[in-house]
Amino acid sequence: DADVTQTPRNRITKTGKRIMLECSQTKGHDRMYWYRQDPGLGLRLIYYSFDVKDINKGEISDGYSVSRQAQAKFSLSLESAIPNQTALYFCATSDMGQQPQHFGDGTRLSIL
Amino acid sequence: GQQLNQSPQSMFIQEGEDVSMNCTSSSIFNTWLWYKQEPGEGPVLLIALYKAGELTSNGRLTAQFGITRKDSFLNISASIPSDVGIYFCAGRDNYGQNFVFGPGTRLSVLP
Repeated sequence: DADVTQTPRNRITKTGKRIMLECSQTKGHDRMYWYRQDPGLGLRLIYYSFDVKDINKGEISDGYSVSRQAQAKFSLSLESAIPNQTALYFCATSDMGQQPQHFGDGTRLSIL
Repeated sequence: GQQLNQSPQSMFIQEGEDVSMNCTSSSIFNTWLWYKQEPGEGPVLLIALYKAGELTSNGRLTAQFGITRKDSFLNISASIPSDVGIYFCAGRDNYGQNFVFGPGTRLSVLP
């Protein structure tokens, strides 16, 4: 979905490094999410934000932090990366209520 | 927490065949979503269901909101090679703020 843009698309880094993944959207949605995808486990929610001043932990927030700089931007940070954080990371947005989420194309992160 | 199960985990079918897959929950949901993910891309929404018993189509795809509200079904008719991908269900109940995703069904279509 070109309306949700993630950068970088791929990143290889070393254990202990700080990493930031960025997400921007042009859909005008208030709600933004970060998910992690591992083979056979589907999508697991890391953090979510319902507006600029709102940050909430998801199912697997340990080792991660986020920043909602503006309605259109939501970044995910790994303060000190470890190998088991190697995964595919997705940003998503949604409108209010029961509206479905719209996903970016993902960031493939490898931590050596 | 809530968990969704998807069946089958993977399937290999011949081009032209119909496909059926399902998603089950341990709790009652009021919204079901079906997504498809292709390699190198994010999940793309196929169908959204908001009412028990609802049957909704999107081209060759048809999804149903189970009457027990604990399951949902996705059918693909006359499969073609571009149907290959991972199909995810997602659901949400009245109390949850967010959707819960299933582990996915990986579909392969043989020519």
